[in-house]
Amino acid sequence: AQSVTQLDSQVPVFEEAPVELRCNYSSSVSVYLFWYVQYPNQGLQLLLKYLSGSTLVKGINGFEAEFNKSQTSFHLRKPSVHISDTAEYFCAVSEPGNTGKLIFGQGTTLQVKP
Amino acid sequence: NAGVTQTPKFQVLKTGQSMTLQCAQDMNHEYMSWYRQDPGMGLRLIHYSVGAGITDQGEVPNGYNVSRSTTEDFPLRLLSAAPSQTSVYFCASSSGTSGETQYFGPGTRLLVL
Repeated sequence: AQSVTQLDSQVPVFEEAPVELRCNYSSSVSVYLFWYVQYPNQGLQLLLKYLSGSTLVKGINGFEAEFNKSQTSFHLRKPSVHISDTAEYFCAVSEPGNTGKLIFGQGTTLQVKP
Repeated sequence: NAGVTQTPKFQVLKTGQSMTLQCAQDMNHEYMSWYRQDPGMGLRLIHYSVGAGITDQGEVPNGYNVSRSTTEDFPLRLLSAAPSQTSVYFCASSSGTSGETQYFGPGTRLLVL
């Protein structure tokens, strides 16, 4: 069975500092990997996804993530954060196939301080 | 193009009451799903549907019922509400292949007293 672990429940960081949000997954088959963001009192929206090809994936708002198959990780990074990046971030995994079923991690709250 | 819409935005129920959370999408998506979001637990899949007339259980289906009579609508029914069902509920849709982006509604916040 697939599972996703987000290693930090909260990450406080100062504005303009770099940030990394960690995500590890377990699966016995190949996977697709996603990062979604949830701004306060809103639904989730896609930041980026890895399906195949280059292991470095670039997303919206300057975020990027690197797929590491040997370490079963998909960490999210941004070189310089803004106050507006304050949100909850979710890593998710799905199996290649005919459904869109996603398994989510527990979420990481990114709090950007001035 | 409204995307995924959910009603109501907020609801208070008493234990034992029933209600239906509505979800609709106008993107002609085959795949629709319901999640609940609880603090520290991420989003957990309740039920999903791969097309009209086809539904299946997710991780936490107990106490919830779904049906999919049209491509557009995917209502979630609480048969007899319990305090443990206090949560934020999200509906999502996608074209149905596993690499595709899921589009989420704004959520329904449910409080069961």
